[in-house]
Amino acid sequence: EPEVTQTPSHQVTQMGQEVILRCVPISNHLYFYWYRQILGQKVEFLVSFYNNEISEKSEIFDDQFSVERPDGSNFTLKIRSTKLEDSAMYFCASSDGVTGPVGEQYFGPGTRLTVT
Amino acid sequence: AQSVAQPEDQVNVAEGNPLTVKCTYSVSGNPYLFWYVQYPNRGLQFLLKYITGDNLVKGSYGFEAEFNKSQTSFHLKKPSALVSDSALYFCAVRAGFQKLVFGTGTRLLVSP
Repeated sequence: EPEVTQTPSHQVTQMGQEVILRCVPISNHLYFYWYRQILGQKVEFLVSFYNNEISEKSEIFDDQFSVERPDGSNFTLKIRSTKLEDSAMYFCASSDGVTGPVGEQYFGPGTRLTVT
Repeated sequence: AQSVAQPEDQVNVAEGNPLTVKCTYSVSGNPYLFWYVQYPNRGLQFLLKYITGDNLVKGSYGFEAEFNKSQTSFHLKKPSALVSDSALYFCAVRAGFQKLVFGTGTRLLVSP
């Protein structure tokens, strides 16, 4: 069964450094998302991406964050200057174009980002 | 704003017994509701969704959920629990164009 994959599984970085989290969505999916889950807290939406542009973003997704689909398979989340409070599990998700925005989203296993 | 609430942090049930994990929602307009499960060190796995139609929705691994508009609830159920069902369960509602808003999660513990 097709899966969303994410690399790395764990990233440790120093405050102020840039990080890029990578995702390979399911191949025929058209909608892509990033969520994060701070330890012990809810899963929170960051951004959705469709047709090579951001379609929706949350208040968390400020100028420090950016997303890109650099080729036909990868979807990346960049944090330009990491803060301690960016430490969280980051989940990538994708959904197909058949059911559109009400389709179920399929999640990757996550990247645990630790900012020291 | 669209939101869901999961009133129980943890549900304990014995293997073979029926289980219910509760979720209530608050939305303007038609609700699009989802259940996900998270096993340790894994991502969220889709279980089932309610978009429209029958109030009883069947999903993966024998789970089902009952949509109740008058009580604004979308409880997850399974007739006979397995030890392997032990995990963290999240209710979610579509808010805005595409984003999902998740509940705080309910830990299900199924004892042998």
